[in-house]
Amino acid sequence: NAGVTQTPKFQVLKTGQSMTLQCAQDMNHEYMSWYRQDPGMGLRLIHYSVGAGITDQGEVPNGYNVSRSTTEDFPLRLLSAAPSQTSVYFCASSTRRGTDTQYFGPGTRLTVL
Amino acid sequence: GNSVTQMEGPVTLSEEAFLTINCTYTATGYPSLFWYVQYPGEGLQLLLKATKADDKGSNKGFEATYRKETTSFHLEKGSVQVSDSAVYFCALSMNSGYSTLTFGKGTMLLVSP
Repeated sequence: NAGVTQTPKFQVLKTGQSMTLQCAQDMNHEYMSWYRQDPGMGLRLIHYSVGAGITDQGEVPNGYNVSRSTTEDFPLRLLSAAPSQTSVYFCASSTRRGTDTQYFGPGTRLTVL
Repeated sequence: GNSVTQMEGPVTLSEEAFLTINCTYTATGYPSLFWYVQYPGEGLQLLLKATKADDKGSNKGFEATYRKETTSFHLEKGSVQVSDSAVYFCALSMNSGYSTLTFGKGTMLLVSP
């Protein structure tokens, strides 16, 4: 049981490049989400999904794209990377209920030059 | 909207000292409250939670009580260890909604021998 996995662990991009951060979970969770963590800012929600084919925006969605074609996978796409997107990105999954625990992946540290 | 406010760090303690990290929240509706912990270089993991007023969450010697009258969920531990050094996040999600988390900014705890 791997839980929530993320790849890559580290990535360096140049401004304007695109890339996809991968996230997968093996707990059959309906709810998946992406957060970014910046110093002094806590974690902020980028996008979330409540099931295959259903996604919605969070607090800071600009510059990011998501899709959910399967229950297991929830990739995050940066279409044209900017230095402001330098951050640590965490994927999480859970059941849909607000009382339940979210399970986090180990994170991807992204640097945009 | 919903928000979580927690004391700023770092909190620096000697081993075996008493720990309190304050957390207060604002929410429209009935939230569940969580404390997540992030050890260096790792993702977040649930430390404890409470889903209704007056509930006490506890784990690994840490405790927090859901106080609706003061909208608080303060984290306490009677005797900290060096291994407790980490960043602690208070968070909420709405019981009637999805498990989307609203986080505080995090409090770094440093415990010295």
